[in-house]
Amino acid sequence: EPEVTQTPSHQVTQMGQEVILRCVPISNHLYFYWYRQILGQKVEFLVSFYNNEISEKSEIFDDQFSVERPDGSNFTLKIRSTKLEDSAMYFCASRGTSGGEYNEQFFGPGTRLTVL
Amino acid sequence: ILNVEQSPQSLHVQEGDSTNFTCSFPSSNFYALHWYRWETAKSPEALFVMTLNGDEKKKGRISATLNTKEGYSYLYIKGSQPEDSATYLCALDTGGFKTIFGAGTRLFVKA
Repeated sequence: EPEVTQTPSHQVTQMGQEVILRCVPISNHLYFYWYRQILGQKVEFLVSFYNNEISEKSEIFDDQFSVERPDGSNFTLKIRSTKLEDSAMYFCASRGTSGGEYNEQFFGPGTRLTVL
Repeated sequence: ILNVEQSPQSLHVQEGDSTNFTCSFPSSNFYALHWYRWETAKSPEALFVMTLNGDEKKKGRISATLNTKEGYSYLYIKGSQPEDSATYLCALDTGGFKTIFGAGTRLFVKA
């Protein structure tokens, strides 16, 4: 069964460093999302991406964040200068379309980002 | 700020009990409603997505209903089993591109 994959599973970085989190969505899906969950808090929406551009972004998704679909299969989230409060589990999700119906989002296993 | 509320926060039941959880959301922002099952150390697993008022969906012993006019959805589990132990998340899609999650209901099923 097709699934969303994410790498790495765990990333440890120093404050101020840049990180790139990678996701491979399900191949025929067209909508892509990034979420994060800080330990003990709700899952938070970061950004959605469709047709090679950002569709919507949250207040969290400031100039330090960017997303890219560099090669038609990968979907990346870059954090330019990490802060301690960026430590969280980051989830990628993708959604397809089927006969014009609204379909569910499929989640990857997540990347645990730890900023020291 | 849009808020999705789930209740109860946690629930302890015995094997064989039936149970239900509630998800409340602002009806004016409704586009679609998702339910997910999330086990520790795994990714959230999609259970249902509902888009129409009055929708009822079923998967095995789990079912869900939707009332978009009053802004709530119920998730039911019939005859709970220990393997049903997980966090159940609901999430409101406000227009196809943004999803707001509730805090989840943590279900513990004791054998």
